[in-house]
Parts: sequence; structure tokens; C-alpha cells
Amino acid sequence: AQSVTQLDSHVSVSEGTPVLLRCNYSSSYSPSLFWYVQHPNKGLQLLLKYTSAATLVKGINGFEAEFKKSETSFHLTKPSAHMSDAAEYFCVVSTIKAAGNKLTFGGGTRVLVKP
Amino acid sequence: NAGVTQTPKFQVLKTGQSMTLQCAQDMNHEYMSWYRQDPGMGLRLIHYSVGAGITDQGEVPNGYNVSRSTTEDFPLRLLSAAPSQTSVYFCASSQRQGPYNSPLHFGNGTRLTVT
Repeated sequence: AQSVTQLDSHVSVSEGTPVLLRCNYSSSYSPSLFWYVQHPNKGLQLLLKYTSAATLVKGINGFEAEFKKSETSFHLTKPSAHMSDAAEYFCVVSTIKAAGNKLTFGGGTRVLVKP
Repeated sequence: NAGVTQTPKFQVLKTGQSMTLQCAQDMNHEYMSWYRQDPGMGLRLIHYSVGAGITDQGEVPNGYNVSRSTTEDFPLRLLSAAPSQTSVYFCASSQRQGPYNSPLHFGNGTRLTVT
């Protein structure tokens, strides 16, 4: 079984300040972990993924995430928020054992960036 | 390169009506899937396909049918619409290995309202 919990449904930051989106997961097997971003009225786009290589993963648009097995966490960060980062972000888990490579999505974190 | 194309963008149905949501991709992806997105629940997998002629159920398949006669197309049929099927529907595809190993490419979604 696998599950994902995104600890904040909404995050508000000022432009130029750091962004932290928190994600905890559970998985019976070694997981693959992803962050996807959804801009208004658009489909989701992959930001980054972790698949048991380096624990610090760099993605697009300056985002990065750190896999911490002891804490079962995969938090997403960005040093300096930009107005274009306003979107909804989804933490996602999968395992090689999941039927159909099933992805399990968290409930999402909506990011508001204030000028 | 159009990617994943979904039609229609919006649809309103009355309870009991049937309809088909269309999905086409031009990336020669073998894996295709349908998700529904509801507030606070992330995305949930309805049905998926690992190649032409092969389909399987996801976690919320009741009330929906799919078929995969070609690599490019993966339509989703609502047999008898119910208000509980009011949602935003996303079609997504990925390369042969499926979303565990290769990123999902999403369409822009179909917003369905059932009255």
C-alpha cells in the first residue's frame, strides 16, 4: 500500500522569499516520488522525480526536493519565489509493485505569491 | 507537436445521459490513463492502458468504460451520468515503462458538470 500526505493545503509567500511545500509518504516498497505542478486551467507538469539515486533532486524552474527515508518525507523547496510559481503542487508516490504503475497523489498545496 | 489533446473542454450533462470524453496523443506513448480531480483529493486513477487492446481498472472505475483500439486514442465513456461524476477529468500518457519510470504528459482537462 502507498499513501501521500501534503501537510498544507495552502501556502502564501511573498515574491523573492523561500518556498517550502511539505510532503510525507508511506510505502511498502522502495518508492519513486514525484512533484507535479498545475497552473490554472492546465494539466499537470512534472517538476522533478526521485528514483533511489541522489537524495537531493533538482527540478525545473529552480525547485528542488530532498528525500529523507528516516522521516518518510519529500519536501519541495525553492530559494526565491516568483510570481509565476503561483499554482497547485502535487506530491506523488509510486512503487514498482503498484498495479499498472499506479501513482498515488497527495491532496495538493495551492501556492499564492504576493508581490 | 500537440502532445495530449482532450475534447471537449467543458460539458454539462443531465443525470442519466451518456457521453464520451475524447483523448488523443501524438507521442507514440504506449501507456495512457484517465484521472479525475476533485478538490482536496488530488487525482484518482479511473482506468489505464499499457497498449492497444489492453485496459485495466484504476481505483475509481465504477460508472466508466474505456477501450483502446489504437495507440493514439483512449476515449472514456460515461454510461449513465450521475451528479457524483461532476469533476475535472484528465487524460495522461507516458512511455512504455509507465509513470513509475517516465513522466506523465497531461492534457488540459475536461470540466464536467452533471445536473
